[in-house]
Amino acid sequence: GDSVTQMEGPVTLSEEAFLTINCTYTATGYPSLFWYVQYPGEGLQLLLKATKADDKGSNKGFEATYRKETTSFHLEKGSVQVSDSAVYFCALRRYSSASKIIFGSGTRLSIRP
Amino acid sequence: SQTIHQWPATLVQPVGSPLSLECTVEGTSNPNLYWYRQAAGRGLQLLFYSVGIGQISSEVPQNLSASRPQDRQFILSSKKLLLSDSGFYLCASEQGNTEAFFGQGTRLTVV
Repeated sequence: GDSVTQMEGPVTLSEEAFLTINCTYTATGYPSLFWYVQYPGEGLQLLLKATKADDKGSNKGFEATYRKETTSFHLEKGSVQVSDSAVYFCALRRYSSASKIIFGSGTRLSIRP
Repeated sequence: SQTIHQWPATLVQPVGSPLSLECTVEGTSNPNLYWYRQAAGRGLQLLFYSVGIGQISSEVPQNLSASRPQDRQFILSSKKLLLSDSGFYLCASEQGNTEAFFGQGTRLTVV
């Protein structure tokens, strides 16, 4: 079945460091791919998405490119801030009414001032 | 866009007591609805999934049940809570290939 694998956390970086959180997926067909962010005590909110191969999703300085050849959707940011501290979830969704969203296990990111 | 209402935000319940958490959705019709549980510092555990009124798929056999009495209402229930039911419960709504919208969650502590 469909699955999403994320790099395990926690990830701790200094402010202004470069961030990469790896995400790979297994799915039939051409799913849409998402990154969600969860701040402490809150629900998840969409960070960015890509719906087809080679699409790049971007938002708030974060980017991820849909790589079908490597079945990956790695999240990157060139210079992280303390306010980026949160849990990040990679997810996929096949375009079928019978399909469900599949989430990765989440990666906790902590940024030191 | 959709708005997901979840209540209450925080709940402390004794072991053996019943539970009812409600989720309502605004801004869409005929969504797919989800209940997740998140233990402290852990990922999302899918509990229930619904594609329509009265249609519930249970992902994990446990002490909980779900119902969807109306198109945009999703209820999570238990007859007798266990200590292990403690956690952060999230309701989500989505349709087709679009993003999922989440409520703000309910933090349940069973004592």
